[in-house]
Parts: sequence; structure tokens; C-alpha cells
Amino acid sequence: NAGVMQNPRHLVRRRGQEARLRCSPMKGHSHVYWYRQLPEEGLKFMVYLQKENIIDESGMPKERFSAEFPKEGPSILRIQQVVRGDSAAYFCASSLGTGDYEQYFGPGTRLTVT
Amino acid sequence: DQQVKQNSPSLSVQEGRISILNCDYTNSMFDYFLWYKKYPAEGPTFLISISSIKDKNEDGRFTVFLNKSAKHLSLHIVPSQPGDSAVYFCAASATDDKIIFGKGTRLHILP
Repeated sequence: NAGVMQNPRHLVRRRGQEARLRCSPMKGHSHVYWYRQLPEEGLKFMVYLQKENIIDESGMPKERFSAEFPKEGPSILRIQQVVRGDSAAYFCASSLGTGDYEQYFGPGTRLTVT
Repeated sequence: DQQVKQNSPSLSVQEGRISILNCDYTNSMFDYFLWYKKYPAEGPTFLISISSIKDKNEDGRFTVFLNKSAKHLSLHIVPSQPGDSAVYFCAASATDDKIIFGKGTRLHILP
């Protein structure tokens, strides 16, 4: 399966815990994007990364959220001290590179904060 | 401020008829437009796209029309099939590679 992989598919955390969401892009793709979908809402852009670089994090909350895409390994979206409002579906997408507008999405991670 | 608007939250169409999904945008810097389809518990799947230099792009049963002066695009599906029942997201991008999505339209294909 050469598609975008995300894990875990479902994640339950208590308020105050940390959530780590992982994304492996499609083979050959060097650009990764994270989106959040709240109930009854569209997908909201959070952050755009290339290997070892954050290109655009204008959609990321200033506190508690961070993202990385290391040279080796998957991209990680990290949410510290989760609150109930963080409950959502988090989708990762990847693309070939600059100028390639078509992004391919993973199945998403559904985060539930109890 | 929503830059990409899908004003119909849902749409029901008889099987075999044409489905028309509409989308409006406000940012004149957008130069590429995409439609994604999403089933429950799955990630969005790329469907069809159009560059701002074109006004129509067709792929099988799917056609996207772009009216730049009206800042409006539409997705036509003909004939509609049961498997087309899903949420459809309109999306747009400027040259910064960031894609802005609308809130989606839920399409129901009726037997």
C-alpha cells in the first residue's frame, strides 16, 4: 500500500495528557500537510512541512500544538495538555512538491479527549 | 472569514440524473481549484481539478466548470450513481501550496 498512512486511527486521551499523531507520506512525496476537521465543519489547514522544515504554520494554534517532519521517519503532530475542544479528526496529506497542488490524504486519526 | 464557500450543506438527486454542486470563492489570488470526495471514516479522495486558465475540465462522469468573473465553480456528475453518495469538498489554492477547503456538501443519491 503506497498511500498515506496515519496512526493511530483512533486515540483517546484524558484532559491534560499528550497526543501524538503520526503520518507517513506517500512514497516519493516530500511535502506533508496537517488538517483538522471539527464536527459539521470542513477541513482547516494547520501546518505545511517539508523534510526538517516548517513552511507554513499559520493554521496551528500558538500554544500546545507542534509539528515536525524529520529527515527520517514519519511526520508527527503533537498536542500537549489536551482539552476537550481538541477532539476532532486530524488528517494528514502529502504531495510531490512545490507546484503540485494535488494532495493525497490519509485515513485520519480521530482524537477523543475525555 | 471563509474564502471558499459551499452554501448547500446537502443535496439529494435521483439516481441517473445530474448532480450539480456549487462553490464560491472570495480570494482572487486563487489559481487552482480542486474537488475532493469523502466517505465516512475515510480521508478525502482527490476527484478532479481545474486551473484558473481554463473554464472547463472533464473526467468521465465528472466535469468542473470555472467562472472566474463570478468567482464561482461547479461540479457536475452525470449520470449520478449510488456510490456517488458522499461529502464533496471544494478547495482552492494560490501559489503558496496551501489548500483552503469549503465546509462540504453532502450528496445523497436516491434510488
